[in-house]
Amino acid sequence: GAGVSQSPSNKVTEKGKDVELRCDPISGHTALYWYRQSLGQGLEFLIYFQGNSAPDKSGLPSDRFSAERTGGSVSTLTIQRTQQEDSAVYLCASSRSPNTEAFFGQGTRLTVV
Amino acid sequence: EDQVTQSPEALRLQEGESSSLNCSYTVSGLRGLFWYRQDPGKGPEFLFTLYSAGEEKEKERLKATLTKKESFLHITAPKPEDSATYLCAVQGAYQGAQKLVFGQGTRLTINP
Repeated sequence: GAGVSQSPSNKVTEKGKDVELRCDPISGHTALYWYRQSLGQGLEFLIYFQGNSAPDKSGLPSDRFSAERTGGSVSTLTIQRTQQEDSAVYLCASSRSPNTEAFFGQGTRLTVV
Repeated sequence: EDQVTQSPEALRLQEGESSSLNCSYTVSGLRGLFWYRQDPGKGPEFLFTLYSAGEEKEKERLKATLTKKESFLHITAPKPEDSATYLCAVQGAYQGAQKLVFGQGTRLTINP
């Protein structure tokens, strides 16, 4: 596809359940970012992948959060034992290289009830 | 730690009334400064990249400028369709500082 694709677009889950959010970056983009945006708030950095380098996980808020990027392409963000405070829009972005513009997907709106 | 502060938080203008949005930053070695536009319920849309002080970029009614401490997004004769939240982000040059650090955004409303 032409842009960054995220799925699902909306996810409602019960507190305590695990969820997986998927990101398909633009083909050929080596850098991939995950951000979280709570209602009316700015973008909170979660994790950054660049090529085959070790990911920058410094933004993950707890050990319930993890992410992987398989084959340098698709990425999955997993949240275990979801809590109500995890409710937010999760945004994925990719860029051709670390110092070029990042393009965002439309996000996954996660609601924990 | 890299930081970005945007001002004002919100701005209301009349159609045709020009103004500027501010983005102040501190970063250990600037690799790039990025401006985005975000409409409600959508992901941020890329506008500009600036790499060094003195650089300027233009697109339609928008012009972005960069100094060593801040960037401005100038909007000339805005139209209602320019209403959106404008986000500024910086990227550091050093290992471990390559994530994009965003400001809180400026919510711009253009009244017809």
